[in-house]
Amino acid sequence: GAVVSQHPSRVICKSGTSVKIECRSLDFQATTMFWYRQFPKQSLMLMATSNEGSKATYEQGVEKDKFLINHASLTLSTLTVTSAHPEDSSFYICSARDLGRNGYTFGSGTRLTVV
Amino acid sequence: GQNIDQPTEMTATEGAIVQINCTYQTSGFNGLFWYQQHAGEAPTFLSYNVLDGLEEKGRFSSFLSRSKGYSYLLLKELQMKDSASYLCAVRDMNTDKLIFGTGTRLQVFP
Repeated sequence: GAVVSQHPSRVICKSGTSVKIECRSLDFQATTMFWYRQFPKQSLMLMATSNEGSKATYEQGVEKDKFLINHASLTLSTLTVTSAHPEDSSFYICSARDLGRNGYTFGSGTRLTVV
Repeated sequence: GQNIDQPTEMTATEGAIVQINCTYQTSGFNGLFWYQQHAGEAPTFLSYNVLDGLEEKGRFSSFLSRSKGYSYLLLKELQMKDSASYLCAVRDMNTDKLIFGTGTRLQVFP
């Protein structure tokens, strides 16, 4: 089946530093990737949509300069949390639109802790 | 915009049946998904409804009524491992975005 590889699975960083999260589609081309954030005991909140070769579109209230998204190829999308603060600590999950299977394939998630 | 509601928490007994409801208000509907999520893990696909009616898949069934903006997930013969969060998500027809509901945490007791 379709697989999206997300790395790293866990990261701890110091406040003020930047962290990059990668999502790769392994056996299909993901022209569209969605990035979600999930706080404890809450549901997934859509942050942004990235399309290969174009600028990402962000949901209302999500700072595009803080959460940089790059979708440079059909198999790779990255999310960079810039100048991270403790309130950015969360579970970040990517989801690739799999047109061939009419569904969505999720990465395994990244637990970010900012100290 | 989208507004998708689910009960926050539910409890049930092993072997029983539980129904998790989801109501939605959307500007452009193109299908409803149900996912299971264990703590700290990615969601796992359970079912997909785009037409009205019941979709059955083993112990899990999902129902959709588009006119009422309503869906439910039915879990039969509950097992302890079914303790998890259950998320309904609506696909937007214009953007293909998958918007998640508030999620329901289900706890199964022996």
